[in-house]
Amino acid sequence: GQQVMQIPQYQHVQEGEDFTTYCNSSTTLSNIQWYKQRPGGHPVFLIQLVKSGEVKKQKRLTFQFGEAKKNSSLHITATQTTDVGTYFCAGQGRRTYKYIFGTGTRLKVLA
Amino acid sequence: KAGVTQTPRYLIKTRGQQVTLSCSPISGHRSVSWYQQTPGQGLQFLFEYFSETQRNKGNFPGRFSGRQFSNSRSEMNVSTLELGDSALYLCASSLAGSFTDTQYFGPGTRLTVL
Repeated sequence: GQQVMQIPQYQHVQEGEDFTTYCNSSTTLSNIQWYKQRPGGHPVFLIQLVKSGEVKKQKRLTFQFGEAKKNSSLHITATQTTDVGTYFCAGQGRRTYKYIFGTGTRLKVLA
Repeated sequence: KAGVTQTPRYLIKTRGQQVTLSCSPISGHRSVSWYQQTPGQGLQFLFEYFSETQRNKGNFPGRFSGRQFSNSRSEMNVSTLELGDSALYLCASSLAGSFTDTQYFGPGTRLTVL
């Protein structure tokens, strides 16, 4: 069945370092959404990408959707302690129409 | 604008019982989706309701059902509870639909099945 894997599963960084999480789908996606979930909290929508090769920026966050629409990445420049949490990607299969969340990447930022 | 609210926030049930969870979306939002979150399986989509009709469904057994009322409030029901149903159940609302629009999540209902 359709799967969406994220790597790495965990990442510890020093404050000020950069961070990247990768999202890989087994099937082509119609779109990709990114969420952040703080410990003990609920997911918060960050962004949606729809077009092949699309790149969007939100302050220190850069999101990219692959040309084949099967992978995506989230890059954070100069991490801060407020970036701590789990980052999830989610997408709808272009043919399956199934909406699947990625496995998530848990980010810890050390001050 | 008030956010998405879910009731109850915590619930303890025993195997075999049934449970109903409630979700009130942001005013004006017609789409409500439900998700199950567990440490082992992560976040999984249950179903989406839009204007009182189920529009999408995930891969969950028929014990999981839902409905949406004319005021867009939604309920989720799980019958014949199993230990593996212990999870955080999240609902999210959006204007146009979960898969293509910004979703706003509620705080969740933590269900424990003993």
